[in-house]
Amino acid sequence: GAVVSQHPSWVICKSGTSVKIECRSLDFQATTMFWYRQFPKQSLMLMATSNEGSKATYEQGVEKDKFLINHASLTLSTLTVTSAHPEDSSFYICSAFFGGHEQYFGPGTRLTVT
Amino acid sequence: DAKTTQPNSMESNEEEPVHLPCNHSTISGTDYIHWYRQLPSQGPEYVIHGLTSNVNNRMASLAIAEDRKSSTLILHRATLRDAAVYYCILRDGFGDMRFGAGTRLTVKP
Repeated sequence: GAVVSQHPSWVICKSGTSVKIECRSLDFQATTMFWYRQFPKQSLMLMATSNEGSKATYEQGVEKDKFLINHASLTLSTLTVTSAHPEDSSFYICSAFFGGHEQYFGPGTRLTVT
Repeated sequence: DAKTTQPNSMESNEEEPVHLPCNHSTISGTDYIHWYRQLPSQGPEYVIHGLTSNVNNRMASLAIAEDRKSSTLILHRATLRDAAVYYCILRDGFGDMRFGAGTRLTVKP
């Protein structure tokens, strides 16, 4: 079946630096990918919808200048957390649909900002 | 968005059936009922989905009430590997998917 991968699986960065997280669809092309954030013991929160070749659509309350999303190809979407702060520490998960009802999720990236 | 209500947690014994309920009284006619589960430190994985009729697959069964205001995910024989947070989600056609709090299932040996 379709597989979605994320890189890195975990990252530690210093406050004020930027971090890029990659989300790849390995078997199929994905015109749309989704980015979620999950804090400990909480549910997933949809951050934005990433559209290939166009600007991402951000959910209310998500700063688009802080969380830069680029969907440069049908198999790659990237999320860049700019000027990261400790409160940005979270589990970031991407997902994609491949034409059916089932949504495929990546394994997640754990970001720790010190 | 139509919302779902699930119990915060449930417990089951290994090799026994588990019935996970979900209420969705404001469901619309075009909402599909989806179930996903999330193991610790992993991304969610698809379990099952349905619209009006009951559904079965290799992982589970989905029983949908006649008025569609509630549904039940059935794991026929729980194993320790089924311990996870189970999310019941309503999705309008092929729109985006928003997660509620889910039910944390504990399976006791």
